[in-house]
Amino acid sequence: SQQGEEDPQALSIQEGENATMNCSYKTSINNLQWYRQNSGRGLVHLILIRSNEREKHSGRLRVTLDTSKKSSSLLITASRAADTASYFCATDQNAGNMLTFGGGTRLMVKP
Amino acid sequence: DAGVIQSPRHEVTEMGQEVTLRCKPISGHDYLFWYRQTMMRGLELLIYFNNNVPIDDSGMPEDRFSAKMPNASFSTLKIQPSEPRDSAVYFCASSLFGGRYGYTFGSGTRLTVV
Repeated sequence: SQQGEEDPQALSIQEGENATMNCSYKTSINNLQWYRQNSGRGLVHLILIRSNEREKHSGRLRVTLDTSKKSSSLLITASRAADTASYFCATDQNAGNMLTFGGGTRLMVKP
Repeated sequence: DAGVIQSPRHEVTEMGQEVTLRCKPISGHDYLFWYRQTMMRGLELLIYFNNNVPIDDSGMPEDRFSAKMPNASFSTLKIQPSEPRDSAVYFCASSLFGGRYGYTFGSGTRLTVV
């Protein structure tokens, strides 16, 4: 079963705008990760946030984690057409050795 | 490192034929995962290995699917006989220490069974 569930399923914005995607999960985690998938390609690891962290930045990416609400958000600032992709959250659960992926958010950035 | 290498990139085969997908993980990684991705079902974990040993194959759809990892640098996913519903993109991923630091995915094999 997929623990991480992304919201929205699809998002369309104009270049320069910010894009926010959300992820909810159900069980305790060690960390939460975000991946990007360009059309026809494999998933690429973007950023990892540990369960004891609340916010993390990487370039134009900002990730927050609220373990009390079991949710995370990925913010892409000043979006570019090249950010058009699907974005997946994945959770590393306490008991497992594998990640559980959500269904993804399809982001389209219009030039 | 060249990353996770999958072959072939595209495969078109007729129903009933045997299909073998190949994966070379990143050197030093101790976990290897096989995923299948379709529009309808999203990303599904089929099987994963730790130190070349299959750990969980509960995601393998049925007996027509089998996976092997004869050594640390090579894995195969075989479908025999193939069916049109097996059409999907198959990804291989590898990692160090499970999900602790994230996975590295290959570019995938797009399989079409006609």
